[in-house]
Amino acid sequence: AQSVAQPEDQVNVAEGNPLTVKCTYSVSGNPYLFWYVQYPNRGLQFLLKYITGDNLVKGSYGFEAEFNKSQTSFHLKKPSALVSDSALYFCAVRDGSNDYKLSFGAGTTVTVRA
Amino acid sequence: DTGVSQDPRHKITKRGQNVTFRCDPISEHNRLYWYRQTLGQGPEFLTYFQNEAQLEKSRLLSDRFSAERPKGSFSTLEIQRTEQGDSAMYLCASSLASWGSSSGYTFGSGTRLTVV
Repeated sequence: AQSVAQPEDQVNVAEGNPLTVKCTYSVSGNPYLFWYVQYPNRGLQFLLKYITGDNLVKGSYGFEAEFNKSQTSFHLKKPSALVSDSALYFCAVRDGSNDYKLSFGAGTTVTVRA
Repeated sequence: DTGVSQDPRHKITKRGQNVTFRCDPISEHNRLYWYRQTLGQGPEFLTYFQNEAQLEKSRLLSDRFSAERPKGSFSTLEIQRTEQGDSAMYLCASSLASWGSSSGYTFGSGTRLTVV
């Protein structure tokens, strides 16, 4: 079984401040981890993924995420948030034993104030 | 081919009516997926195809739901006798069978269904 938890429904930060969106996961095998962003009435846009290799993954729009196996976490980070980063963010996991299904968290709404 | 296309973007229907959605994947992608997203939740897996074969169906996909991908290209998702609980965003995605070097899925913009 595979699942993801995003413990915060909302994150509010001021523009220029660091942004962190938390994600923890549970899988029975090796995790494949993803972050997606969704703008209103739009589909999901891929930000970054971790499959293997370096624990720090760099992705689109200045985002990065750190894979921590001991804490089963994959937190999304951005050093300096922009107002345009305001959106809904989803963490997703795929168990290495299946090659087709992603399980998503409930999402975290990020609001960056000017 | 710039991405995954879904049609219509919005659909309002009366309870009990049938609806059909269409998804056109990225042309070189042999896998196509359907997900459902309700308000305040992440997307939930419904079903997927590899070429024209439907390989997996979620328990969320009741007998009123049917999906097809007749020629391994576009796909349709039909909901018969719609219920208010079917109101959701229906997302289509496509990918190559091998995920290793790719971003995994590419999602469409979704079809928002409202059952009144």
